[in-house]
Amino acid sequence: EPEVTQTPSHQVTQMGQEVILRCVPISNHLYFYWYRQILGQKVEFLVSFYNNEISEKSEIFDDQFSVERPDGSNFTLKIRSTKLEDSAMYFCASRGDGDGNQPQHFGDGTRLSIL
Amino acid sequence: AQSVTQLGSHVSVSEGALVLLRCNYSSSVPPYLFWYVQYPNQGLQLLLKYTSAATLVKGINGFEAEFKKSETSFHLTKPSAHMSDAAEYFCAVKGLGSSASKIIFGSGTRLSIRP
Repeated sequence: EPEVTQTPSHQVTQMGQEVILRCVPISNHLYFYWYRQILGQKVEFLVSFYNNEISEKSEIFDDQFSVERPDGSNFTLKIRSTKLEDSAMYFCASRGDGDGNQPQHFGDGTRLSIL
Repeated sequence: AQSVTQLGSHVSVSEGALVLLRCNYSSSVPPYLFWYVQYPNQGLQLLLKYTSAATLVKGINGFEAEFKKSETSFHLTKPSAHMSDAAEYFCAVKGLGSSASKIIFGSGTRLSIRP
């Protein structure tokens, strides 16, 4: 079964540094998402992306965050200047076209640790 | 606004016993609901989804959930717990507004299985 893959599985970065989290969505999917889960808390929506533009973003997704689909397969989340509170598990998800009620498929996540 | 509330952050049952994980939803329109499972150090896996076709939904690994409009509930059940069911379970609802349809998660219920 096709999967969403995320790299790296664990990223350790110094505060203030830029970090890029990478995702390869399922190949025929058109909607892409990033979520995060701070340790011990619920999974929170960050941003959705469709047709090469952001469809929706949460209040968490401020100017320090950006997303990009640089080619036909990758979907990236960039944090420009990381803060301690950015430490979390970041999940990428994708969904196929058509019925908006089709489920999103999630990757295994990238654990981001800010020192 | 769409939301889900999971009652009980931690549920412990004996192996072979009934599993019941509670979820109540709040929605201004007929909701589309999901249950996801997260095994330790893994991503989110879809267990089942409700999209108004049938009120009793069967999912993977022997789980099922029943949509009850009168109670605004979507509880997850399994007749006989197995040790491999130990995981975090998230109830979720489809968001409104954007066609990209973000998912809104509950706070999660950790299921422990006693031998």
